[in-house]
Amino acid sequence: QKEVEQNSGPLSVPEGAIASLNCTYSDRGSQSFFWYRQYSGKSPELIMSIYSNGDKEDGRFTAQLNKASQYVSLLIRDSQPSDSATYLCAVNMGGSYIPTFGRGTSLIVHP
Amino acid sequence: SAVISQKPSRDICQRGTSLTIQCQVDSQVTMMFWYRQQPGQSLTLIATANQGSEATYESGFVIDKFPISRPNLTFSTLTVSNMSPEDSSIYLCSVEGRSSYNEQFFGPGTRLTVL
Repeated sequence: QKEVEQNSGPLSVPEGAIASLNCTYSDRGSQSFFWYRQYSGKSPELIMSIYSNGDKEDGRFTAQLNKASQYVSLLIRDSQPSDSATYLCAVNMGGSYIPTFGRGTSLIVHP
Repeated sequence: SAVISQKPSRDICQRGTSLTIQCQVDSQVTMMFWYRQQPGQSLTLIATANQGSEATYESGFVIDKFPISRPNLTFSTLTVSNMSPEDSSIYLCSVEGRSSYNEQFFGPGTRLTVL
């Protein structure tokens, strides 16, 4: 069974700190990995995509992929209260072009 | 990415009635997707809709309960039929991006409450 696992949280970090969000997946052959941000009452918004092992940086966001260990993480540097949201990990598994979503991790950045 | 709109944005419905949700995209897309997000849960794919063919439903979802139309390359509808309180959820349509990596972009969602 295809699974994407995330800690539901909430993860609470102080403003200015680094928030680290983790995700594991069950299919070793997965190829595409995505992080979505979902504010309360809003729809998911794609913030990062990663396809190769290693790090990918975009502004304050860094996605890290380790296919051997089957995990993908999202680091948010200099966290702001506006980063408070649920972060969904999504993985294209089993050769599917449709991602499987994790349950999301709730992040709270407190001033 | 494409601009996606959905109507209605929210509705409160009575048990046993049906609601049709519309999804409009500002560019032509091959596939459109319908998801459900129940309170506190992640996204569950209901079906994939291709223009000119029957929608493909995921396990646990049937056409009689969730009929889908896809009359052209920019529009789709999802009907939630014979509703019960368990159908209270957010319903989202999505489309694929233009890269080869199959990322998806979501509409604003329809928040449905069934009494």
